[in-house]
Amino acid sequence: DVQMTQSPSNLAASPGESVSINCKASKSISKYLAWYQQKPGKANKLLIYSGSTLQSGTPSRFSGSGSGTDFTLTIRNLEPEDFGLYYCQQHNEYPPTFGSGTKLEIK
Amino acid sequence: EVQLVESGGVLVQPGRSMKLSCAASGFTFSSFPMAWVRQAPTKGLEWVATISTSGGSTYYRDSVKGRFTISRDNAKSTLYLQMDSLRSEDTATYYCTTGGRNLFAYWGQGTLVTVSS
Repeated sequence: DVQMTQSPSNLAASPGESVSINCKASKSISKYLAWYQQKPGKANKLLIYSGSTLQSGTPSRFSGSGSGTDFTLTIRNLEPEDFGLYYCQQHNEYPPTFGSGTKLEIK
Repeated sequence: EVQLVESGGVLVQPGRSMKLSCAASGFTFSSFPMAWVRQAPTKGLEWVATISTSGGSTYYRDSVKGRFTISRDNAKSTLYLQMDSLRSEDTATYYCTTGGRNLFAYWGQGTLVTVSS
Protein backbone atom coordinates (compact mmCIF):
# COMPACT_ATOMS: atom_id res chain seq x y z
CA ASP A 1 0.00 0.00 0.00
CA VAL A 2 1.09 3.58 -0.63
CA GLN A 3 1.88 5.31 2.67
CA MET A 4 0.93 8.98 2.89
CA THR A 5 2.89 11.15 5.33
CA GLN A 6 1.25 14.47 6.13
CA SER A 7 2.86 17.44 7.91
CA PRO A 8 2.52 19.30 10.13
CA SER A 9 0.04 17.52 12.41
CA ASN A 10 -1.08 20.80 13.90
CA LEU A 11 -1.01 24.33 12.59
CA ALA A 12 -2.16 27.60 14.14
CA ALA A 13 -2.78 30.72 12.07
CA SER A 14 -4.81 33.93 12.08
CA PRO A 15 -7.53 34.96 9.62
CA GLY A 16 -5.94 36.66 6.63
CA GLU A 17 -2.72 34.66 6.83
CA SER A 18 -1.54 31.97 4.40
CA VAL A 19 -0.68 28.40 5.35
CA SER A 20 0.72 25.32 3.64
CA ILE A 21 0.20 21.64 4.39
CA ASN A 22 2.50 19.00 2.97
CA CYS A 23 1.87 15.42 1.92
CA LYS A 24 4.50 12.88 0.90
CA ALA A 25 3.75 9.54 -0.79
CA SER A 26 5.94 6.46 -0.22
CA LYS A 27 6.16 6.00 -4.00
CA SER A 28 5.21 8.00 -7.08
CA ILE A 29 1.49 8.58 -7.48
CA SER A 30 1.85 10.79 -10.56
CA LYS A 31 -0.55 13.72 -10.08
CA TYR A 32 -3.29 11.74 -8.29
CA LEU A 33 -3.52 13.43 -4.92
CA ALA A 34 -6.70 14.75 -3.32
CA TRP A 35 -7.32 17.05 -0.35
CA TYR A 36 -10.35 16.91 1.97
CA GLN A 37 -11.67 19.15 4.72
CA GLN A 38 -13.38 17.73 7.82
CA LYS A 39 -15.38 19.85 10.26
CA PRO A 40 -17.56 18.76 13.21
CA GLY A 41 -21.22 18.34 12.31
CA LYS A 42 -20.59 18.77 8.58
CA ALA A 43 -20.09 16.30 5.76
CA ASN A 44 -16.49 15.86 4.68
CA LYS A 45 -15.65 17.95 1.65
CA LEU A 46 -13.46 17.13 -1.35
CA LEU A 47 -11.47 20.30 -2.06
CA ILE A 48 -8.89 19.39 -4.70
CA TYR A 49 -8.12 16.33 -6.83
CA SER A 50 -5.46 15.34 -9.35
CA GLY A 51 -3.01 17.47 -7.41
CA SER A 52 -4.30 20.88 -8.43
CA THR A 53 -7.84 20.67 -9.84
CA LEU A 54 -10.36 22.50 -7.67
CA GLN A 55 -13.57 20.60 -7.01
CA SER A 56 -16.68 22.57 -7.95
CA GLY A 57 -17.49 24.98 -5.13
CA THR A 58 -13.97 25.14 -3.68
CA PRO A 59 -12.93 28.78 -3.15
CA SER A 60 -10.01 30.02 -5.26
CA ARG A 61 -7.96 30.81 -2.12
CA PHE A 62 -7.27 27.06 -2.00
CA SER A 63 -4.57 25.72 -4.30
CA GLY A 64 -2.74 22.44 -4.71
CA SER A 65 0.64 21.69 -6.22
CA GLY A 66 3.08 18.85 -6.66
CA SER A 67 3.55 15.59 -8.50
CA GLY A 68 5.32 12.29 -8.01
CA THR A 69 5.75 11.97 -4.25
CA ASP A 70 5.57 15.51 -2.88
CA PHE A 71 2.43 17.65 -2.70
CA THR A 72 1.31 20.87 -1.01
CA LEU A 73 -2.05 22.38 -0.14
CA THR A 74 -1.90 26.18 0.23
CA ILE A 75 -4.67 28.30 1.67
CA ARG A 76 -4.25 32.03 1.12
CA ASN A 77 -6.04 34.76 3.05
CA LEU A 78 -7.53 32.38 5.64
CA GLU A 79 -11.21 32.77 6.40
CA PRO A 80 -12.78 31.76 9.75
CA GLU A 81 -14.59 28.85 8.06
CA ASP A 82 -11.28 27.33 6.88
CA PHE A 83 -10.31 26.10 10.32
CA GLY A 84 -10.67 22.35 10.76
CA LEU A 85 -9.01 19.09 9.82
CA TYR A 86 -7.39 18.48 6.43
CA TYR A 87 -6.50 15.11 4.91
CA CYS A 88 -4.57 14.19 1.80
CA GLN A 89 -5.40 10.99 -0.11
CA GLN A 90 -3.81 9.24 -3.05
CA HIS A 91 -6.27 8.21 -5.76
CA ASN A 92 -3.72 6.65 -8.11
CA GLU A 93 -4.17 3.01 -7.12
CA TYR A 94 -5.96 0.53 -4.85
CA PRO A 95 -6.19 0.70 -1.96
CA PRO A 96 -6.76 4.46 -1.79
CA THR A 97 -4.88 5.72 1.28
CA PHE A 98 -5.11 8.83 3.42
CA GLY A 99 -2.62 10.92 5.32
CA SER A 100 -2.91 11.20 9.09
CA GLY A 101 -4.46 14.67 8.99
CA THR A 102 -3.53 18.26 9.83
CA LYS A 103 -5.51 20.24 12.38
CA LEU A 104 -5.70 23.91 11.40
CA GLU A 105 -6.58 26.06 14.40
CA ILE A 106 -7.17 29.71 15.00
CA LYS A 107 -4.19 31.45 16.63
CA GLU B 1 -28.70 18.56 -3.59
CA VAL B 2 -26.77 15.33 -3.04
CA GLN B 3 -27.77 13.60 0.18
CA LEU B 4 -26.32 10.43 1.66
CA VAL B 5 -27.89 9.22 4.90
CA GLU B 6 -26.34 6.29 6.72
CA SER B 7 -28.14 4.11 9.25
CA GLY B 8 -27.69 0.88 11.17
CA GLY B 9 -24.78 1.72 13.45
CA VAL B 10 -25.11 0.22 16.95
CA LEU B 11 -23.20 -1.42 19.79
CA VAL B 12 -22.46 -5.05 18.89
CA GLN B 13 -20.45 -7.84 20.49
CA PRO B 14 -17.25 -9.16 18.90
CA GLY B 15 -17.91 -11.95 16.44
CA ARG B 16 -21.45 -10.78 15.66
CA SER B 17 -22.85 -9.31 12.43
CA MET B 18 -24.57 -6.12 11.39
CA LYS B 19 -25.64 -4.36 8.23
CA LEU B 20 -25.29 -0.68 7.41
CA SER B 21 -27.48 1.12 4.88
CA CYS B 22 -27.04 4.39 3.02
CA ALA B 23 -30.00 6.09 1.35
CA ALA B 24 -28.97 8.30 -1.56
CA SER B 25 -30.88 11.15 -3.19
CA GLY B 26 -30.27 14.22 -5.33
CA PHE B 27 -28.26 12.43 -8.03
CA THR B 28 -28.51 9.45 -10.39
CA PHE B 29 -27.36 6.78 -7.94
CA SER B 30 -27.00 4.06 -10.57
CA SER B 31 -24.40 6.14 -12.47
CA PHE B 32 -21.91 6.40 -9.61
CA PRO B 33 -19.53 3.89 -8.06
CA MET B 34 -20.01 4.02 -4.29
CA ALA B 35 -17.75 3.41 -1.33
CA TRP B 36 -17.53 3.11 2.45
CA VAL B 37 -14.81 4.97 4.36
CA ARG B 38 -14.41 4.65 8.13
CA GLN B 39 -12.80 6.62 10.93
CA ALA B 40 -11.92 5.08 14.27
CA PRO B 41 -12.37 7.38 17.29
CA THR B 42 -9.71 10.13 17.27
CA LYS B 43 -8.05 8.52 14.22
CA GLY B 44 -7.79 9.30 10.51
CA LEU B 45 -9.82 8.22 7.51
CA GLU B 46 -9.55 4.68 6.16
CA TRP B 47 -11.07 3.33 2.93
CA VAL B 48 -13.08 0.15 3.44
CA ALA B 49 -14.73 -0.94 0.18
CA THR B 50 -15.90 0.23 -3.25
CA ILE B 51 -18.60 -1.09 -5.58
CA SER B 52 -19.08 -0.43 -9.28
CA THR B 53 -22.21 1.12 -10.75
CA SER B 54 -23.81 -2.23 -11.58
CA GLY B 55 -22.53 -3.98 -8.47
CA GLY B 56 -20.61 -6.43 -10.61
CA SER B 57 -17.20 -5.36 -9.28
CA THR B 58 -16.24 -4.91 -5.65
CA TYR B 59 -12.98 -3.99 -3.92
CA TYR B 60 -12.02 -4.33 -0.25
CA ARG B 61 -9.17 -3.43 2.04
CA ASP B 62 -7.27 -6.51 3.15
CA SER B 63 -8.36 -6.33 6.79
CA VAL B 64 -12.06 -6.72 5.91
CA LYS B 65 -11.82 -9.13 2.96
CA GLY B 66 -13.93 -12.20 3.59
CA ARG B 67 -15.78 -10.52 6.49
CA PHE B 68 -17.47 -7.47 4.89
CA THR B 69 -19.69 -7.37 1.80
CA ILE B 70 -20.58 -4.18 -0.05
CA SER B 71 -23.72 -4.23 -2.18
CA ARG B 72 -26.23 -1.89 -3.73
CA ASP B 73 -29.85 -1.72 -4.87
CA ASN B 74 -30.05 0.78 -7.70
CA ALA B 75 -33.85 0.59 -7.79
CA LYS B 76 -33.92 1.80 -4.18
CA SER B 77 -30.88 4.13 -4.47
CA THR B 78 -29.41 2.39 -1.45
CA LEU B 79 -25.89 1.21 -0.58
CA TYR B 80 -25.21 -1.51 1.97
CA LEU B 81 -22.34 -2.88 4.01
CA GLN B 82 -22.81 -6.32 5.56
CA MET B 83 -20.26 -6.76 8.33
CA ASP B 84 -19.63 -10.25 9.75
CA SER B 85 -17.19 -11.57 12.36
CA LEU B 86 -16.81 -8.08 13.78
CA ARG B 87 -13.69 -7.19 15.75
CA SER B 88 -12.94 -4.44 18.23
CA GLU B 89 -10.71 -2.79 15.62
CA ASP B 90 -13.78 -2.33 13.37
CA THR B 91 -15.11 0.24 15.85
CA ALA B 92 -15.48 3.44 13.84
CA THR B 93 -17.79 5.93 12.24
CA TYR B 94 -18.67 4.55 8.82
CA TYR B 95 -19.21 7.05 6.01
CA CYS B 96 -21.06 6.39 2.77
CA THR B 97 -19.42 8.20 -0.17
CA THR B 98 -19.54 8.45 -3.93
CA GLY B 99 -16.42 6.62 -5.03
CA GLY B 100 -15.60 7.01 -8.71
CA ARG B 101 -11.88 6.90 -9.64
CA ASN B 102 -11.01 6.44 -5.94
CA LEU B 103 -12.24 9.97 -5.30
CA PHE B 104 -14.78 10.57 -2.56
CA ALA B 105 -16.69 13.60 -3.77
CA TYR B 106 -19.81 13.41 -1.60
CA TRP B 107 -20.08 12.11 1.97
CA GLY B 108 -22.80 11.27 4.42
CA GLN B 109 -22.68 12.32 8.07
CA GLY B 110 -21.66 8.83 9.16
CA THR B 111 -23.00 6.13 11.47
CA LEU B 112 -21.12 4.88 14.55
CA VAL B 113 -20.38 1.19 14.90
CA THR B 114 -19.06 0.09 18.30
CA VAL B 115 -17.75 -3.46 18.70
CA SER B 116 -17.42 -4.30 22.37
CA SER B 117 -18.41 -6.97 24.86
